[in-house]
Amino acid sequence: DVKVTQSSRYLVKRTGEKVFLECVQDMDHENMFWYRQDPGLGLRLIYFSYDVKMKEKGDIPEGYSVSREKKERFSLILESASTNQTSMYLCASSLRTNSYEQYFGPGTRLTVT
Amino acid sequence: RKEVEQDPGPFNVPEGATVAFNCTYSNSASQSFFWYRQDCRKEPKLLMSVYSSGNEDGRFTAQLNRASQYISLLIRDSKLSDSATYLCVVRADSWGKFQFGAGTQVVVTP
Repeated sequence: DVKVTQSSRYLVKRTGEKVFLECVQDMDHENMFWYRQDPGLGLRLIYFSYDVKMKEKGDIPEGYSVSREKKERFSLILESASTNQTSMYLCASSLRTNSYEQYFGPGTRLTVT
Repeated sequence: RKEVEQDPGPFNVPEGATVAFNCTYSNSASQSFFWYRQDCRKEPKLLMSVYSSGNEDGRFTAQLNRASQYISLLIRDSKLSDSATYLCVVRADSWGKFQFGAGTQVVVTP
């Protein structure tokens, strides 16, 4: 079974803090994604990566950065957390070819106070 | 305008009944279409892909209408365990970027 894990299920941070969210997948997937999910808005793509050290901006990259130093790990960084970044953050991975099914991690509920 | 739009519901469905709902997409170049299921406080999981000719998976039937730019999901003989939010997902480029709808909530009642 494909497994996508995220470093924390719940996280509380203060405004202005630097926040790291880690995601690891164990199926050698090329593509990895970071989304945020908010009520009524659905999942919105923040960044995605199609290979090590490669990244592309999604629909809402402002205030975020990412790092992919190893194929299995994709990190999301909030440089200076703000209250409007309080959200559910979901990581996903997929093969680049043959199958476009995305496998999701359990999510991190981030609260910025 | 959102790229993928869904009726948020909830659709309240008696057990054993049939429910159907649509999703519209704005990008006519969209290439692939999916329905994901998301249970409360859980991550989304693939329910089924949607093919041009329509496809069935047990009690679930998905249809694609490219001319009108919508996909549909029909659930027959609803079970209590079908209660969930159903996410419409559209892929529009070759890199595998996906656009998600906000979801349609289905509540199956005894």
